[in-house]
Amino acid sequence: NAGVTQTPKFQVLKTGQSMTLQCAQDMNHNSMYWYRQDPGMGLRLIYYSASEGTTDKGEVPNGYNVSRLNKREFSLRLESAAPSQTSVYFCASSEIIGRRTDTQYFGPGTRLTVL
Amino acid sequence: GENVEQHPSTLSVQEGDSAVIKCTYSDSASNYFPWYKQELGKRPQLIIDIRSNVGEKKDQRIAVTLNKTAKHFSLHITETQPEDSAVYFCAASMNSGYALNFGKGTSLLVTP
Repeated sequence: NAGVTQTPKFQVLKTGQSMTLQCAQDMNHNSMYWYRQDPGMGLRLIYYSASEGTTDKGEVPNGYNVSRLNKREFSLRLESAAPSQTSVYFCASSEIIGRRTDTQYFGPGTRLTVL
Repeated sequence: GENVEQHPSTLSVQEGDSAVIKCTYSDSASNYFPWYKQELGKRPQLIIDIRSNVGEKKDQRIAVTLNKTAKHFSLHITETQPEDSAVYFCAASMNSGYALNFGKGTSLLVTP
């Protein structure tokens, strides 16, 4: 039972390059989330998927797209990377009971640097 | 989005002392309040949570209190140990019910 996994662990991009961050969970959770973490800023929600087939914007969605590929997988795409997107990206998943969220479990993170 | 304010941003205590971290939230629909601990270079991990129908919850040396009227909640760590040193984040559920708003974190240092 691996929990939430993310690939890659580290990535360096040049401005304008694109890439996709991958996330998978094996806990059969309905909901999945993408956060970015910057020094002194806490965790800020980029996008989330309440259930398979749905996605919604969070606090900082500009410059990102997401795909909920199936119940297990939720990917984050940077179409044209900018230095402001240098950050640590965390994926998380949780069970939802009715409209009540439960514990969010985090992946190990991807450290992205955009030059 | 709705704000979660967290104070203090840094906290230094001596081993054995208590530590208190406070958060306020603005969304009156928030009903779930977790606390996460993040060690350097690691992922955030849940240490305790509380729902809006409960005023206090305790788990060994850790307790959380919630005041819904005042819209604030606090984390209390008693008998602190060096291994408690980490960054602690509070969070509050958004009115969608699905996602969380996080505070900016408190860096706790416990010195022997």
